Amino acid sequence: SQKIEQNSEALNIQEGKTATLTCNYTNYSPAYLQWYRQDPGRGPVFLLLIRENEKEKRKERLKVTFDTTLKQSLFHITASQPADSATYLCALVRTGANNLFFGTGTRLTVIP
Amino acid sequence: GAGVSQSPSNKVTEKGKDVELRCDPISGHTALYWYRQSLGQGLEFLIYFQGNSAPDKSGLPSDRFSAERTGGSVSTLTIQRTQQEDSAVYLCASSLAPRGGTEAFFGQGTRLTVV
Repeated sequence: SQKIEQNSEALNIQEGKTATLTCNYTNYSPAYLQWYRQDPGRGPVFLLLIRENEKEKRKERLKVTFDTTLKQSLFHITASQPADSATYLCALVRTGANNLFFGTGTRLTVIP
Repeated sequence: GAGVSQSPSNKVTEKGKDVELRCDPISGHTALYWYRQSLGQGLEFLIYFQGNSAPDKSGLPSDRFSAERTGGSVSTLTIQRTQQEDSAVYLCASSLAPRGGTEAFFGQGTRLTVV
């Protein structure tokens, strides 16, 4: 069966450190992979998109990598801040398909 | 409006009643998604509309769930004979491109409580 797994339900890190979140998938051939941030009581907000032929994408303090051999994406937040505390979701779009499928999310807490 | 709008924001209904949830996507967005999110869980795909194509209904959990999108814009998700397990936040999203190449914009969601 197809699965999108984010390896930690919760991750706590100290302010200023780099947070690394993992998204693993099985039985997918994703054309795109996206990362979203969700705050309590709100809908997800788009952060970054990476295509299957891209290895890495950066945006300010955010970096996403995509390894189609390992079937894994890593999401990094450098110089983390308490305001980065939220749930982070990865989402896949399969090659030839239209649906956006989401992982279960990782709740990140940055401790001051 | 500037974003995706969902109504109502909260809905409490009695078990067995029908409910309708509304989504107004961003103007010009051809793709529209419905998801369900239970407490502390990820987003469960329900249904996807793209332009005039037949919708992808593969995520609907039972035949009590249906959705339509009129005129390629507003969408309504209907749940008939609601059950307590239908309690969740229902999220709608829209996007410009049909094949996930651009970001999806989400509404604030409708929190449905079945009592």
